[in-house]
Amino acid sequence: QSALTQPPSVSGSPGQSVTISCTGTSSDVGSYNRVSWYQQPPGTAPKLMIYEVSNRPSGVPDRFSGSKSGNTASLTISGLQAEDEADYYCSSYTSSSTYVFGTGTKVTVL
Amino acid sequence: EVQLVQSGAEVKKPGESLKISCKGSGYSFTSYWIGWVRQMPGKGLEWMGIIYPGDSDTRYSPSFQGQVTISADKSISTAYLQWSSLKASDTAMYYCARVIGSSYMDVWGKGTTVTVSS
Repeated sequence: QSALTQPPSVSGSPGQSVTISCTGTSSDVGSYNRVSWYQQPPGTAPKLMIYEVSNRPSGVPDRFSGSKSGNTASLTISGLQAEDEADYYCSSYTSSSTYVFGTGTKVTVL
Repeated sequence: EVQLVQSGAEVKKPGESLKISCKGSGYSFTSYWIGWVRQMPGKGLEWMGIIYPGDSDTRYSPSFQGQVTISADKSISTAYLQWSSLKASDTAMYYCARVIGSSYMDVWGKGTTVTVSS
């Protein structure tokens, strides 16, 4: 099972929007709406930000949004803030009844 | 409050065995899958496997099948990840997390650091 493909890094100035892509295959992202996104600041455990493609858990700011088209899912952070600087990982359920994470993206706030 | 409390950091030698734990509280431990995730130093997250404590149904990532054993003791609401013979390449942070609806991990433990060095 190969990792989902994410860009290594994205950056933006405060207030701007950034989008992180997560590309899989028809055996994972393309077949299931079980895509989730996790935020991991340095030295901390991952935190759930988006589940089932576009749902936000309670407490996650609405500037975080998710979507999916075909084999690619996306996370958009609108109105970027300094506290959003972290690594972000996507994850998907797979046709093997297992899960796979993305390669990870470092978000830098300029 | 739903919590997963993981055991403390471990320092081991190559060839030694190890079992780390993840204790759930604040919810029905037997009703949710628990997943294990590896993060090697400076690297990304890797999904290792999951267990359903209710009946100990277990699934492994192909990359970890045969390399580790996942188990659970529902009487004490605790899941385990174990190695029979550690290698230096097992040096990593290991997280456990609760899995919701075969879909996502909503609550994570703080992680257990495992260092394997001669």
